[in-house]
Amino acid sequence: DVKVTQSSRYLVKRTGEKVFLECVQDMDHENMFWYRQDPGLGLRLIYFSYDVKMKEKGDIPEGYSVSREKKERFSLILESASTNQTSMYLCASSSPFEGVSAEAFFGQGTRLTVV
Amino acid sequence: GQNIDQPTEMTATEGAIVQINCTYQTSGFNGLFWYQQHAGEAPTFLSYNVLDGLEEKGRFSSFLSRSKGYSYLLLKELQMKDSASYLCAVRDRNDYKLSFGAGTTVTVRA
Repeated sequence: DVKVTQSSRYLVKRTGEKVFLECVQDMDHENMFWYRQDPGLGLRLIYFSYDVKMKEKGDIPEGYSVSREKKERFSLILESASTNQTSMYLCASSSPFEGVSAEAFFGQGTRLTVV
Repeated sequence: GQNIDQPTEMTATEGAIVQINCTYQTSGFNGLFWYQQHAGEAPTFLSYNVLDGLEEKGRFSSFLSRSKGYSYLLLKELQMKDSASYLCAVRDRNDYKLSFGAGTTVTVRA
């Protein structure tokens, strides 16, 4: 069974803390993505990576950074957490190939609250 | 980048048909996906279109017109369990970026 696993389901952090969200996939996918999901705004792309050590900014990268040291792991870092980063964070992975095999698989999500 | 639009909400009756439209603008198109997301859960894959035309999968069908930047998801014989958010997503040809619309919340009533 294919799997994308996020390290935490729920997190509560204080303003100014450095926060790490971890994502691991077991499908040998090249592409990995971090999104945040807020009511009425849908999934917004923060960063994505198409290979180890490669990263590309998505639509809302400000206040975030990422790390991809190994193919199976993609980490999202909040350098100094702020209350407007309270959200649901979703990690996904996909292959770069054409066709139905290009579908993205999602982790279960991390609900982050910054107080 | 992509600009993806879909209606915010739709309501339909059990057993009926609902069509969710999605329009997009992209610099390089490499496939359109539809996902279903129940409240509190992760999105799950429903369908994929890369060529023009209709793809049918049981009660769900998806249509694509690349020249018009348009897709729709058709849900037939609606069931209560189909109440969910439906997300349209477009993949970019150049960098594999996958961008989503804001989602359409479908409510199925008895």
